[in-house]
Amino acid sequence: KAGVTQTPRYLIKTRGQQVTLSCSPISGHRSVSWYQQTPGQGLQFLFEYFSETQRNKGNFPGRFSGRQFSNSRSEMNVSTLELGDSALYLCASSLGVGGGAETQYFGPGTRLLVL
Amino acid sequence: GNSVTQMEGPVTLSEEAFLTINCTYTATGYPSLFWYVQYPGEGLQLLLKATKADDKGSNKGFEATYRKETTSFHLEKGSVQVSDSAVYFCALSENQAGTALIFGKGTTLSVSS
Repeated sequence: KAGVTQTPRYLIKTRGQQVTLSCSPISGHRSVSWYQQTPGQGLQFLFEYFSETQRNKGNFPGRFSGRQFSNSRSEMNVSTLELGDSALYLCASSLGVGGGAETQYFGPGTRLLVL
Repeated sequence: GNSVTQMEGPVTLSEEAFLTINCTYTATGYPSLFWYVQYPGEGLQLLLKATKADDKGSNKGFEATYRKETTSFHLEKGSVQVSDSAVYFCALSENQAGTALIFGKGTTLSVSS
């Protein structure tokens, strides 16, 4: 079974621009979560989508948004980029049906550098 | 709000030494607890989990027990190997699906032969 894939793997943008990152979950997984990883703040939860609906949301400004498509693929968008948005963005997928703590499977991440 | 605190690293051990990485949490409800590991050059992966008080999660020789009375989930291994060198993250989730994880800052373990 193919794992979680994320594209692109690396991105360089300048302040003020916007960026879209893509995540393809493991086949059959309906939940996709996004996390931001930085040296200072560590791993922080951005949001989770399940069946095309945002199910959980972390404490990030509205510049960070996401969506999920009917095939469970997900995109996240960051508008008006700031230097502090430079980070590794991780996507994780799981079945999402509850009934116990499921395993989340993480992708390799997209490394974003904002100049 | 909910949070996870784990011991700062790096932790440096010799092969076959005993490992403990401390993790404590703050939560309003009854969270599920996890240890994730990030090996060099690889993605984050689940090591073990526990969903209720007194549960013990175990995998690859690692163990952690969910202690509600001390709000802790310490990771232990009796005899570490060089291949255990990695970054270890303690995490919690308050929803049934185990998503929306709140992570600790991570502890780097380095094992030498």
